[in-house]
Amino acid sequence: AQSVTQLGSHVSVSEGALVLLRCNYSSSVPPYLFWYVQYPNQGLQLLLKYTSAATLVKGINGFEAEFKKSETSFHLTKPSAHMSDAAEYFCAVSDNFGNEKLTFGTGTRLTIIP
Amino acid sequence: GAVVSQHPSRVICKSGTSVKIECRSLDFQATTMFWYRQFPKQSLMLMATSNEGSKATYEQGVEKDKFLINHASLTLSTLTVTSAHPEDSSFYICSAGGQGEPLHFGNGTRLTVT
Repeated sequence: AQSVTQLGSHVSVSEGALVLLRCNYSSSVPPYLFWYVQYPNQGLQLLLKYTSAATLVKGINGFEAEFKKSETSFHLTKPSAHMSDAAEYFCAVSDNFGNEKLTFGTGTRLTIIP
Repeated sequence: GAVVSQHPSRVICKSGTSVKIECRSLDFQATTMFWYRQFPKQSLMLMATSNEGSKATYEQGVEKDKFLINHASLTLSTLTVTSAHPEDSSFYICSAGGQGEPLHFGNGTRLTVT
């Protein structure tokens, strides 16, 4: 069975500061890993995905994540936080890129301090 | 880009009535659609997987007679909450994938049962 663990249900950073959202995974097969963002009362928008190509994945809105097999981690970072980054972020894992179901982490709420 | 449309975005119904939620893939053929349920400030929990032309596969603990899923075409899946009760109030989100497309999510439906 696959799972992801997001450390920290709430993260607050100052505007302009580094954003770091943590995600660790567990998978018996090479995983496909995803980060999604959710704004209030909306669905999920894909930020980026890891599909066994480059370990450093760049996504939209300036976000990136690095796949570290030795640490079973896929942490999400952004060098400089913007107010518009305030949202809920979900890490997810799948054993297939495309049509297979995703297993989500519990989410991290990111608050940006002006 | 590919878009998934979910309708309605909000619905209020009386206890004992049924509610139908639609999920449409607008510019690709969705061979697989997924239905998730999200409680306030929690993660997405997969309810069922539907493949076009076949019966949905429900996750453990999800009542198939209560949550009826139909995926009659490659662009439409419906979730019907039958005999709704206040505890069914939640945020329901669909996602669709197919033809090598990654999963795309609808914007969700906020169901309130009074």
